[in-house]
Amino acid sequence: RKEVEQDPGPFNVPEGATVAFNCTYSNSASQSFFWYRQDCRKEPKLLMSVYSSGNEDGRFTAQLNRASQYISLLIRDSKLSDSATYLCVVGGDDKIIFGKGTRLHILP
Amino acid sequence: ETGVTQTPRHLVMGMTNKKSLKCEQHLGHNAMYWYKQSAKKPLELMFVYSLEERVENNSVPSRFSPECPNSSHLFLHLHTLQPEDSALYLCASSQDPGFGNTIYFGEGSWLTVV
Repeated sequence: RKEVEQDPGPFNVPEGATVAFNCTYSNSASQSFFWYRQDCRKEPKLLMSVYSSGNEDGRFTAQLNRASQYISLLIRDSKLSDSATYLCVVGGDDKIIFGKGTRLHILP
Repeated sequence: ETGVTQTPRHLVMGMTNKKSLKCEQHLGHNAMYWYKQSAKKPLELMFVYSLEERVENNSVPSRFSPECPNSSHLFLHLHTLQPEDSALYLCASSQDPGFGNTIYFGEGSWLTVV
C-alpha cells in the first residue's frame, strides 16, 4: 500500500457543483494532515490543515477519519478558479509525505 | 511577494555543465528543503537542512550537491546531470523540520538537461 494515495482524476465538474476527494494513508501513527493546492506550472500552496474535529474555511471542508485512515476535502459551489491539482500531505515518524495529487477541472 | 525565492526560474544545461540553483527564505524559518517534481510523479524530497545542518538525504545521486551556508540560504549544485533529471526543483522552508510544520514553497526552478 502506498504511503499516501489519491485518485489522480481528472475530476471534471460543472461550475457550482460540489466535489469531494479522499486521500488514504498507510501509517496509522501519522499525526499531521494538510491539503495543498498546486496550479499548473506553479508551486504548491497550503490550502488548509486538517484537524481531528474537521474544519471548514468558506466553501472548503476538510475531515479526518483516523479509523479508516483517510482525509477528505469537500468543495461546495465550485468556481472556475478552483481548477487545480489538490495534494494530500501527511506527516508522521518525522516525515512529511505528499500524495501525487488529484486534478480538478471546473467546467463553465 | 513570496517568502521563498528561487533563482534561476528556468535553466537549460548540457550533461557536462556545472550549474547551481539558489534559494533564499525571508520567513525566519529554521528548516529548508529541496524537492524534485517530475511529470506524473509525487513530490520527491531530496534534502532537508535544519539550522544549516543536513538532517536528511533521501538517496540522492551525488551529481546533486546541496549547500546551506546559513539558515536563510540553500543551494543545489548540479554537475554531469542526465536528461531524466529534467524536472521542477522546488525549494521550501518551515519553522522547524518536524512533521507538524507547514511547508512554504518557492516558485521553483524548471530544469532541462539536454
